Amino acid sequence: ETGVTQTPRHLVMGMTNKKSLKCEQHLGHNAMYWYKQSAKKPLELMFVYSLEERVENNSVPSRFSPECPNSSHLFLHLHTLQPEDSALYLCASSQDRGLDEQYFGPGTRLTVT
Amino acid sequence: AQKVTQAQTEISVVEKEDVTLDCVYETRDTTYYLFWYKQPPSGELVFLIRRNSFDEQNEISGRYSWNFQKSTSSFNFTITASQVVDSAVYFCALSLTGANNLFFGTGTRLTVIP
Repeated sequence: ETGVTQTPRHLVMGMTNKKSLKCEQHLGHNAMYWYKQSAKKPLELMFVYSLEERVENNSVPSRFSPECPNSSHLFLHLHTLQPEDSALYLCASSQDRGLDEQYFGPGTRLTVT
Repeated sequence: AQKVTQAQTEISVVEKEDVTLDCVYETRDTTYYLFWYKQPPSGELVFLIRRNSFDEQNEISGRYSWNFQKSTSSFNFTITASQVVDSAVYFCALSLTGANNLFFGTGTRLTVIP
C-alpha cells in the first residue's frame, strides 16, 4: 500500500460514454499527477496539480478533463474517447512538485471499445 | 534536453543469479535527482530510491544496490541473488529543479525464472 488509491481498477467504456477516474492520497502531499501508460511506450505525464492548482497540461486532448477539488483528491473526467486511449492510467502524489519522489496508485486499466 | 535511456528492454535470469539493470541519463543541469521504481504485475509503481546529483556514494539496501557515476551519466541498479518476486518492470527516472515531473525511461522487464 503506497497511500494512493484509485477507483475503479478496471473500466470498459464505449466511445460515446462519459466516465470519471478517481484518485485519493492519504499522505498529506501537495502535488498530484496523472500519467498514461500504454504498451511499449514511456510513461506519459498528462497533468500536474500543485496545491489544487493545475501547473501543467502536457498537450492532452480536451476529451480528458482533470479536476482537483482539494489536495487529497484528483479526478480525470473522460468523454468521447478513442480506442487508442485504452491504457493504464496512473495517479501519483508527492510532497511538492518536482524533485520529490512520487508515490503511485495501482492504476485504472481503461479499455475503450 | 533531458532524457533517460534504459537500453535493456527485457532480461531473464535464473533465480539466485545477480542482475544489473542499466540506466543512462542526459541533462545539462547540475542539480538533479535520479530514481528507481519497480512496477510489479499489480500495476502500481513502487518507489525504490532517490539519489541527488551531489551524492555519488553507492547505496546498498538488502539485496539491492545502486551505482551512481556522474562521469558516465549512469545510475545502475543491481539485484543480488535474484528471487522470483523480483520479476517486474523497473523504471529509472530523472527530475530537475523547477520541473514539474519526473522523466522516465522506457523500463526494463526483469523475469526471474525459478
